[in-house]
Formats: sequence, C-alpha cells, structure tokens
Amino acid sequence: SAVISQKPSRDICQRGTSLTIQCQVDSQVTMMFWYRQQPGQSLTLIATANQGSEATYESGFVIDKFPISRPNLTFSTLTVSNMSPEDSSIYLCSVVAHSYEQYFGPGTRLTVT
Amino acid sequence: KQEVTQIPAALSVPEGENLVLNCSFTDSAIYNLQWFRQDPGKGLTSLLLIQSSQREQTSGRLNASLDKSSGRSTLYIAASQPGDSATYLCAYHNDYKLSFGAGTTVTVRA
Repeated sequence: SAVISQKPSRDICQRGTSLTIQCQVDSQVTMMFWYRQQPGQSLTLIATANQGSEATYESGFVIDKFPISRPNLTFSTLTVSNMSPEDSSIYLCSVVAHSYEQYFGPGTRLTVT
Repeated sequence: KQEVTQIPAALSVPEGENLVLNCSFTDSAIYNLQWFRQDPGKGLTSLLLIQSSQREQTSGRLNASLDKSSGRSTLYIAASQPGDSATYLCAYHNDYKLSFGAGTTVTVRA
C-alpha cells in the first residue's frame, strides 16, 4: 500500500483568497488524482495530476479555479483560487498502487467564510 | 455516465449482527470495483478491491462479491462490532478514475 500525507489538514480561509494543498506519497506512483467531497455528499473527481504536463480536468472543473502541479512522482499540489463559501469541502488526493487498488490521503478540510 | 447506487442509505444494527451493504451500477462492462470505509471528518480507507475478472474478495470478517451481469456488488461484514460504525462507499473504476456511490452509514449498537 501507499502512505499519503496532506498539508494542511484543515484551514479556515476568507472569501476571495487562495489556498494551496500539498500531497506527498511515500513511494513513486504514476497515477495521482484530486477529489472533492462537499458537505453531506460523496466524492467527485476534480482532475488527474500528470507528472511533467498539465493536469486533466473533469467536466465542471477548470484550471483557473483549481491549478494543479505535479513536479515529480511523489508530490502534487492543488490550489483552490478566489475562494467562495461554496468551495467549503474536504479535498483529497489519491494514488493508484499495484493491482489497481487506489489509496487516499487523510484529506484537507477547507472552510471558507 | 456511470451511475453508482448504494442501498440502504443508513443502517443501525445491534452488535454481533451480520451486515449486508448493496451497491449497484449501470454499466456491466466495468473494470474494477472497490469498497472503502470513511470515518466522520476523515479520509478513505480501502477495504477490498474486486478486479473485473474476479467474483469475490475476502479479508478477515469482510467479504465482497461482484456480479457484473446484474450490475451489483455486495459487502458482507460478519459479526459486527461498534468499531465498524462508519460510512461505507463503493466506487467503480473507469480507467483508474473512480465514480462513487453516496454511501451507506452504519451504526453498530453496543
């Protein structure tokens, strides 16, 4: 299995500001993803973080709002830009390990006031 | 788009009872199906992965089955314990991207 850490674990931010979330994996992985879980909802895929190239975004998510970096095979960042209260969610990164099993980080709980 | 449905939405049982959680999906030509556990305010813990060529997987008190023809997966938890209280999510794999059901919230009463 893969051990994944995220920073920060939680944050309270003001409307209009930006927050960058970090995801660190204890081993090199090819596939890394970012998900969002809005209050009381299940998880929705934001984008695939591609190493060395631009992220691939799902329908409804755009690079200007959620810029993603993936400088190497163990690290990625997700920025939530120009935040509004609707961005209050848990943001989780995940990786695909051997045998297709997917593992998740502990999540970052974001509250926008 | 793949639809993933989980029934029931919530379940409360006395300790020791067996749990049966259901997951259905609209496309029988699936890749893999994975079950997760989520504790309140926490991330996801992987429980079992069933690859598309498999019919079931077992780990301790947990057993998950997959029936592609009917579009269903079932998670069985034997002899439930209060520590099993959590939300259980199933997710369909589509080219490594996961589509999640809404989850079943389980409460095991001591």
